Amino acid sequence: DAKTTQPTSMDCAEGRAANLPCNHSTISGNEYVYWYRQIHSQGPQYIIHGLKNNETNEMASLIITEDRKSSTLILPHATLRDTAVYYCIVRVGSDYKLSFGAGTTVTVRA
Amino acid sequence: DAGVTQSPTHLIKTRGQQVTLRCSPKSGHDTVSWYQQALGQGPQFIFQYYEEEERQRGNFPDRFSGHQFPNYSSELNVNALLLGDSALYLCASSFPTGETQYFGPGTRLLVL
Repeated sequence: DAKTTQPTSMDCAEGRAANLPCNHSTISGNEYVYWYRQIHSQGPQYIIHGLKNNETNEMASLIITEDRKSSTLILPHATLRDTAVYYCIVRVGSDYKLSFGAGTTVTVRA
Repeated sequence: DAGVTQSPTHLIKTRGQQVTLRCSPKSGHDTVSWYQQALGQGPQFIFQYYEEEERQRGNFPDRFSGHQFPNYSSELNVNALLLGDSALYLCASSFPTGETQYFGPGTRLLVL
């Protein structure tokens, strides 16, 4: 599996967009980018995933660069409930496991 | 639509004992994965069950075993508990293609 690099932590203001970067420079052509988040003491929550096109759902947008070596998760209007650890995961479609790193601790401040 | 459920929510055991954790998958899912999350770390993959068989395993010793039942629910068994087995144990369910896994709330195990 390709490794990912994320900042350890970041703060953002409530109501503003939160842009979470992820570097995956060794990603292969058949590897997907997944984002999960984990609010304190709860199970991880699926956010979004993509292969090479940008994706959007009711929670967030995923922007993948053309060379696929990095991506950004965008939370359009952060709320206090978005405070969590965010994990960027690269996964081969045929692999059954998710390989979590340390993630980014995001703190949304009022 | 019920999500992934796990039981019990908390458990305290002593070293050397055995423990069984249970998981019911999200409605419509037939594949169950188990993860261990130590304090301050990301979840680590233990194994995945599909069609009542273990089809992929992570780097965990044989003390960790599992089972999947015909109704797709699953159990995780850990024998000869060590202090280092203290962790949050997470169950995730998915369709067989496994594109997206949905996690339960976890079982917090403390080994004394």
